[in-house]
Amino acid sequence: GQNIDQPTEMTATEGAIVQINCTYQTSGFNGLFWYQQHAGEAPTFLSYNVLDGLEEKGRFSSFLSRSKGYSYLLLKELQMKDSASYLCAVRDNTNAGKSTFGDGTTLTVKP
Amino acid sequence: DTAVSQTPKYLVTQMGNDKSIKCEQNLGHDTMYWYKQDSKKFLKIMFSYNNKELIINETVPNRFSPKSPDKAHLNLHINSLELGDSAVYFCASSQDRRGVGNTIYFGEGSWLTVV
Repeated sequence: GQNIDQPTEMTATEGAIVQINCTYQTSGFNGLFWYQQHAGEAPTFLSYNVLDGLEEKGRFSSFLSRSKGYSYLLLKELQMKDSASYLCAVRDNTNAGKSTFGDGTTLTVKP
Repeated sequence: DTAVSQTPKYLVTQMGNDKSIKCEQNLGHDTMYWYKQDSKKFLKIMFSYNNKELIINETVPNRFSPKSPDKAHLNLHINSLELGDSAVYFCASSQDRRGVGNTIYFGEGSWLTVV
């Protein structure tokens, strides 16, 4: 089975940097995804990590350490529109490739 | 243009009724899913189909029955609706089950309210 932990809520200031952590325990790991979900909308894909290290994509970066069962999503130059829920999802290594989602971190960006 | 489309978007119905939610994807993906997101925003997988074959079936009451007539469609039928079924149901698809191809593309969601 899989267990995924993320903070429930975070608050940050416009223009700042925020780091959202995700820790996981899994019987078989085959990739970690980050999704963004605005209120009342569907989740949308942000990033994918399968090897250790940092993946950078514009203002967003995601880091993975498989040995520590740890990932973080880094958001730079925060904008008001970044206020959303951020979901960490871990895929197992079965043939079905099931992705299990964390409960999400609600980020509020304040002026 | 819509990649993953599901209907209806909003559904209010009485306990005990039977209802269906339809889903179609035009991305050419092999794998489709149904997820449930409850009032606390927890997103849980219910079912997954790959090329019309059921590959994931989580612990879901058998009142929920998915049907995939072809790999572009995955419908969800719910019998004898209960108050606890009120949630947002997301249909989704992914190219396949490997690597970044397992990136999930979600439909807009169907808001089901059982009264």
